[in-house]
Amino acid sequence: DVVLTQTPSTLSATIGQSVSISCRSSQSLLDSAGNTYLYWYLQRPGQSPQLLIYLVSNLGSGVPNRFSGSGSGTDFTLKISGVEAEDLGVYYCMQATHALTFGSGTKLEIK
Amino acid sequence: QVTLKESGPGILQPSQTLSLTCTFSGFSLSTYGMGVGWIRQPSGKGLEWLANIWWDDDKYYNPSLKNRLTISKDTSNNQAFLKITNVDTADTATYYCARIVDYYVMDAWGQGASVTVSS
Repeated sequence: DVVLTQTPSTLSATIGQSVSISCRSSQSLLDSAGNTYLYWYLQRPGQSPQLLIYLVSNLGSGVPNRFSGSGSGTDFTLKISGVEAEDLGVYYCMQATHALTFGSGTKLEIK
Repeated sequence: QVTLKESGPGILQPSQTLSLTCTFSGFSLSTYGMGVGWIRQPSGKGLEWLANIWWDDDKYYNPSLKNRLTISKDTSNNQAFLKITNVDTADTATYYCARIVDYYVMDAWGQGASVTVSS
């Protein structure tokens, strides 16, 4: 099974601060067709997960452009450029190159 | 507008079979490339993928649970189903269904159905 390791597990930020979350895979997520099936989701308190980023760096529909994704192979990063209050929640990376697995999550708290 | 809603028994006893239904609108599971996935989340814990079903009836299962899972669909009634056999307390969780579009993107999720396994 592919294991996705997210760091940090908890992140505390002030409004306007920029933060990054790391997602490291136990195997390369690049498939034979050249696609990398790595996604980022946000689960706000009491809500269902919602898509932020797909295929490493593509912004989901309606997602603010303060969110950005980068990386390749086994190392990926989600960056929030200027945290807003509504960004609090748990962030999950997910891969779909080798079956489908989620990372353990990163909780973003607002100071 | 795409919506999905999960329904289930709420509570069931160990060793029983859990049957879940995902009723959706705003898309069709007969459309090329469309899929529905099931994901669960124990209270206070992370997300675990369970299974996907596709427009062409192709099915994929979490290898660690594969022998207990059955996913199916009723295209004419816009529903997808998941059965989990021989449940135990570790299956207590909120169960979500999600639409899957191009590149395995889960772009719409249901509100989740809470399931408790208890004797």
